[in-house]
Amino acid sequence: EIVMTQSPATLSVSPGERATLSCRASQSLSSNLAWYLQKPGQAPRLLIYDASTRATGVPARFSGSGSGTEFTLTISSLQSEDFAVYYCQQYYSWPYTFGLGTKLEIK
Amino acid sequence: EVQLVESGGGLVQPGGSLRLSCAASGFTFSTYWMHWVRKAPGKGLVWVSRINRDGSSTTYADSVRGRFTMSRDNAKNTLYLQMNSLRAEDTAVYYCARDILTGFDDWGQGTLVTVSS
Repeated sequence: EIVMTQSPATLSVSPGERATLSCRASQSLSSNLAWYLQKPGQAPRLLIYDASTRATGVPARFSGSGSGTEFTLTISSLQSEDFAVYYCQQYYSWPYTFGLGTKLEIK
Repeated sequence: EVQLVESGGGLVQPGGSLRLSCAASGFTFSTYWMHWVRKAPGKGLVWVSRINRDGSSTTYADSVRGRFTMSRDNAKNTLYLQMNSLRAEDTAVYYCARDILTGFDDWGQGTLVTVSS
């Protein structure tokens, strides 16, 4: 099973600033990685797939990068609605696994 | 508009059973793999099970294999998760999700399962 490690566990950032979230895989995924956002009481929402492709309707301030074992989600200018928990997920091999999440909170 | 609506959650005693349903609409249900994912209180997302398009193949996480059974009825556009021998650690919100081969692009709002005496 591929283990996904996200860091940091919690990230405090001020609105308007840039946030950088990391995800590391225990083995190479090529680019088979997705990012999700989840707000309390809501379903997860797909943000990024194939490591760097924005899903339909996702604002351009969200960008993904990386390949192999190291991946990054960057939010260029944080809006109030962006404060939530972010998960990475690998779909390179079964079982598909998620990271434990990064909580992005208002500083 | 794609919609996934879960139901069937509730409070159950350890060792008990529940059957979750996920009603799908707004897309051709029979052409997608589907999944169940759960989120325990204070924990992250955990993949539970998947089913192929015609229901002939299923895969389960080690933690639920032998206790949970996933199925689908393409005529009714509905996904199911039969959960037996429930444990306290199965307490979670259970989501159904649609697989687009590059992630899960649509999710239901979830149904809460609480296993407690």
